[in-house]
Amino acid sequence: DQQVKQNSPSLSVQEGRISILNCDYTNSMFDYFLWYKKYPAEGPTFLISISSIKDKNEDGRFTVFLNKSAKHLSLHIVPSQPGDSAVYFCAARRASGTYKYIFGTGTRLKVLA
Amino acid sequence: GAGVSQSPSNKVTEKGKDVELRCDPISGHTALYWYRQSLGQGLEFLIYFQGNSAPDKSGLPSDRFSAERTGGSVSTLTIQRTQQEDSAVYLCASSLIPGPAIKNYGYTFGSGTRLTVV
Repeated sequence: DQQVKQNSPSLSVQEGRISILNCDYTNSMFDYFLWYKKYPAEGPTFLISISSIKDKNEDGRFTVFLNKSAKHLSLHIVPSQPGDSAVYFCAARRASGTYKYIFGTGTRLKVLA
Repeated sequence: GAGVSQSPSNKVTEKGKDVELRCDPISGHTALYWYRQSLGQGLEFLIYFQGNSAPDKSGLPSDRFSAERTGGSVSTLTIQRTQQEDSAVYLCASSLIPGPAIKNYGYTFGSGTRLTVV
């Protein structure tokens, strides 16, 4: 049962344009969401987070939107840069228990110069 | 250490052999997690340690997999009688504490061990 889904395995965007990466989840008990970025041969690195009490969080070029009723979150990157080319994972966790994060399958973003 | 260190970075082993993967978390981080990423898949949770105990082992795929943590620090993931489907990148992550207070940054991941079973 895939509780966190990233239905687009890949995305190509022109440099300077907006990149929108999507993530859907099934568990209404999830209370915190993260986006990680992963370059080849490196571990994932934290990018941005959002709590379920908010619907938007912004950090520089990165903005995460959360739609709880739709169980959907998205990551917007504006403007996209070639260095943003990586695999992006969304992750979610419950408010109790071991607080482990459940990860999606990732979306490979390619920003074209 | 400054980051999460994993060794070896690459491991090629023959089917049926046992392997040990090591994780050295950030000093002082009490929570430690093992994940794996198979080709074309997301990060699959394996096991979580709080200190030396493992309150959540629900992700270990079979009894060939085991893990331990000693001194609240280094963790070893052992795979016995490796199979080809065990080939994956095994990622270790640590955090200061596992609960709500660690909201903003989640985990810090190591670079992983790429295991290839031939």
